[in-house]
Amino acid sequence: GQSLEQPSEVTAVEGAIVQINCTYQTSGFYGLSWYQQHDGGAPTFLSYNALDGLEETGRFSSFLSRSDSYGYLLLQELQMKDSASYFCAVRPPHDRGSTLGRLYFGRGTQLTVWP
Amino acid sequence: DVKVTQSSRYLVKRTGEKVFLECVQDMDHENMFWYRQDPGLGLRLIYFSYDVKMKEKGDIPEGYSVSREKKERFSLILESASTNQTSMYLCASSLLTGGGSYNSPLHFGNGTRLTVT
Repeated sequence: GQSLEQPSEVTAVEGAIVQINCTYQTSGFYGLSWYQQHDGGAPTFLSYNALDGLEETGRFSSFLSRSDSYGYLLLQELQMKDSASYFCAVRPPHDRGSTLGRLYFGRGTQLTVWP
Repeated sequence: DVKVTQSSRYLVKRTGEKVFLECVQDMDHENMFWYRQDPGLGLRLIYFSYDVKMKEKGDIPEGYSVSREKKERFSLILESASTNQTSMYLCASSLLTGGGSYNSPLHFGNGTRLTVT
């Protein structure tokens, strides 16, 4: 089976940098994704790491290390609007549904940004 | 932009009722998914479909069924609603990935909050 662990809550102040970790136990997977969900809203895709290393998209970066079974989402220059839940997700290669695009999600990290 | 529309934002149903949750996407995506979201449990997959009339069980299919008669529409059916099915239901769609590391992000609807009393 798949198991992804994330902290349940993280708090930070505006302008700060925060890192949300995701550790996983899986026999292998195609890539690590991150989704953002504001209260009452739909989850939206943020980033995807197919290979080890850092992927940067504006203020957000995502990192993957397969050898350490670990990834993280880095949010810089935090803004109040970044307060949301953040989910990591994997698509395992040996699951029939993997070619069909199914994702396994972590339980999510609630980020609160204070002024 | 991809648009995934769920027919109801809020629903209140009685125990034992048959409940239909409807989802429509407008980008000709092959894949469609139904997740339920509960506090502290994240998103759990109920059913998914990769083509018309095709369906696959997810992690928690018990008590649910699905229907996909047209490519753009994916319905979730609660045959006999129970109080433990009170939850937020999220529909999503994506392109068929075909395997490999190609990323096909999920596009979610705004959710249907179902309360079963």
